Amino acid sequence: DSGVTQTPKHLITATGQRVTLRCSPRSGDLSVYWYQQSLDQGLQFLIQYYNGEERAKGNILERFSAQQFPDLHSELNLSSLELGDSALYFCASSVGPNLNTEAFFGQGTRLTVV
Amino acid sequence: AQSVAQPEDQVNVAEGNPLTVKCTYSVSGNPYLFWYVQYPNRGLQFLLKYITGDNLVKGSYGFEAEFNKSQTSFHLKKPSALVSDSALYFCAVRDGAAGNKLTFGGGTRVLVKP
Repeated sequence: DSGVTQTPKHLITATGQRVTLRCSPRSGDLSVYWYQQSLDQGLQFLIQYYNGEERAKGNILERFSAQQFPDLHSELNLSSLELGDSALYFCASSVGPNLNTEAFFGQGTRLTVV
Repeated sequence: AQSVAQPEDQVNVAEGNPLTVKCTYSVSGNPYLFWYVQYPNRGLQFLLKYITGDNLVKGSYGFEAEFNKSQTSFHLKKPSALVSDSALYFCAVRDGAAGNKLTFGGGTRVLVKP
C-alpha cells in the first residue's frame, strides 16, 4: 500500500458529462501529481499542485481542471467528456515540490466514457 | 525536452534466469531516474531510483539498476527472475533542471515462465 488513496476506483459515465476524481496524498506529502494512462498515449503528466498552489502543468486539456485543498487532498475535474477521455487516471504524491525523492502512486481511477 | 525509451515492448524469460529491462534517456541537465512496476489493475509501485552516487542502485524485491552516463542508459536487472515478477515495468526520468514532472517510457511487459 503506497499510502495514496484514490476514489472512486471505477467510473462509468456518458459523453458530455462531468466527473470528479479524488486523491488523498500520503501523510506528510505536500505535492500531488495527476497522470493519465491510456493505451495510445502511455503515461502522460497532467498537472502538479504543491501545498495548495499549481506548480506545473503538462498535457492537460482545457476541459480538465484540478485543485488542491487546505487539507492537501486534490480533485481532478473532467468535463464535457469524450470517448477518448476513457483512461486510467493516477494520482501521485511526494514530499517536496521538485521530485527530489520518489513519488508514490495511488491505484488509479478507471474512467470509462460511453 | 526530456525523453525516455524502452526499446522492448515485451521481455520473456524463464524462471530462475537473469532478467534485464532496458531503458535509455535524454535530458538537458543531470538526470534523476526511476523504475516503477505495475501489476494488473494496480497502481505503479516504486522499485528504485538514481539521483547521484554509485552507478549501481539496489531496490525492492531484489531488483537493481545500473546508471551509465556515457550510454545514457539505466537498465533494470534481476539475477534470478520469479514468476511473480511478471508485470509491466516503467522507466522514468526527471530532468534535473526542470524539476516537476516525471517523463515515462512506454513500458516493457515482462513475462516470466515457470
